[in-house]
Amino acid sequence: GAGVSQSPSNKVTEKGKDVELRCDPISGHTALYWYRQSLGQGLEFLIYFQGNSAPDKSGLPSDRFSAERTGGSVSTLTIQRTQQEDSAVYLCASSLASGGVYNEQFFGPGTRLTVL
Amino acid sequence: AQSVAQPEDQVNVAEGNPLTVKCTYSVSGNPYLFWYVQYPNRGLQFLLKYITGDNLVKGSYGFEAEFNKSQTSFHLKKPSALVSDSALYFCAVSIVGGRRALTFGSGTRLQVQP
Repeated sequence: GAGVSQSPSNKVTEKGKDVELRCDPISGHTALYWYRQSLGQGLEFLIYFQGNSAPDKSGLPSDRFSAERTGGSVSTLTIQRTQQEDSAVYLCASSLASGGVYNEQFFGPGTRLTVL
Repeated sequence: AQSVAQPEDQVNVAEGNPLTVKCTYSVSGNPYLFWYVQYPNRGLQFLLKYITGDNLVKGSYGFEAEFNKSQTSFHLKKPSALVSDSALYFCAVSIVGGRRALTFGSGTRLQVQP
């Protein structure tokens, strides 16, 4: 079956520009996560969506970062006024979420962002 | 706060030999523990998880991991390594009843030599 998909796979932008990264989760998965993977910081949590609940934004590094999830499915991560330190691979993951049961997260292939 | 330590940046093992990739964690509460593998230019793939129950967990591709509460460890093991197991391995933790987002270790590169 179809896994988590992300687009674009690569994005090169100039410092100061805004970028949008897209994630299509696995159909039926109500939980969606954004992480970023960089050489200096490893894998960091950014934001978590669960159904219609307010998202957990506790991992966003600055107010230049924001994310939306429309219709409980597709999510867009937006980075405004990009900086060179934003260069990283941005990973999206989704999972089933049912009450107190913890289900594993399935990851997309990532978007490699390079800020020049 | 929760954290995960993977003390080895790289583990080298000969094909056919047993392998161990180490992971220790620190949480205030009961942990959910996970291992993921990342092949070059690909996303993370789930290997196995410990939620509750038996301390020895079996996962994909012949991997297993043992949860040791007293040592706060969750080492990944495989009885006989394959060259195709060469990849980057991440241990991750979440807290029972807490935030569902994962906290990852820094990763361990496994190199299996033929």
